[in-house]
Amino acid sequence: SAVISQKPSRDICQRGTSLTIQCQVDSQVTMMFWYRQQPGQSLTLIATANQGSEATYESGFVIDKFPISRPNLTFSTLTVSNMSPEDSSIYLCSVEHRGKVEQFFGPGTRLTVL
Amino acid sequence: AQSVTQLDSQVPVFEEAPVELRCNYSSSVSVYLFWYVQYPNQGLQLLLKYLSGSTLVKGINGFEAEFNKSQTSFHLRKPSVHISDTAEYFCAVSFLNDMRFGAGTRLTVKP
Repeated sequence: SAVISQKPSRDICQRGTSLTIQCQVDSQVTMMFWYRQQPGQSLTLIATANQGSEATYESGFVIDKFPISRPNLTFSTLTVSNMSPEDSSIYLCSVEHRGKVEQFFGPGTRLTVL
Repeated sequence: AQSVTQLDSQVPVFEEAPVELRCNYSSSVSVYLFWYVQYPNQGLQLLLKYLSGSTLVKGINGFEAEFNKSQTSFHLRKPSVHISDTAEYFCAVSFLNDMRFGAGTRLTVKP
C-alpha cells in the first residue's frame, strides 16, 4: 500500500475565504480521488484528479467551487473556494494503483468554517 | 449504478462477544466489495476485499466477510471483539474505478 500524507491535517477558516489541501503519495499512482465526509456521515466522491488534464467531477460538485490540480503522478491539491459553514467536513484523498481495484486513503483534513 | 446499504447504523457489543455488521449491495454487473475501518480522527483503512474466488475472505485484525451473490450481501464478522475494535466501519462496492460507500456502522465495544 502507498503512504499518503495530507496537509493541513486540520484548519479553522473564516467564511468567504479559500483553503488548498495537499495530498502527497510516496509512489506513482494511476488514480487519485477526493472525497468529502460531512459530520457523522459517509464518504461522497467529489472528483477524480486526472494527471495532465481537468478533473472529473461528480454530480453536485463544480470546478469553480472545488478546483483540483494534479501536476504529476504523486501529488494533487483540492481547493475549497468561497467557504461557508456548510463546507465544514473532513476532506480525504485516496489513490489507486495500476492493476489494483482497492483505494488507499490519506489521513484526512478536518475543515471547520466559521 | 451500484449502491450499498448498511443495515445497522450502530452496533453495541460487549468485549469478547461475536459481532456481525451487515452490508447489502445493489448492482446490475459484477462488482468488487470492500470493508474499511475508520478510527477516530483518522482516514480509512482497508480491512478486506472480495474480488473473485472463495466467497469467504479474511482480513486484518481477525475480521472476515462472506460474499453471498444470491442475497447480494457481504457481511463482516469477528468471533471475539476487543475494545480497540471500536470504530466506524464502511462497506463499499466498486466497478470501473467508481467506488460507492455505505452510510457506515458505528461499532462500540463495551467492557
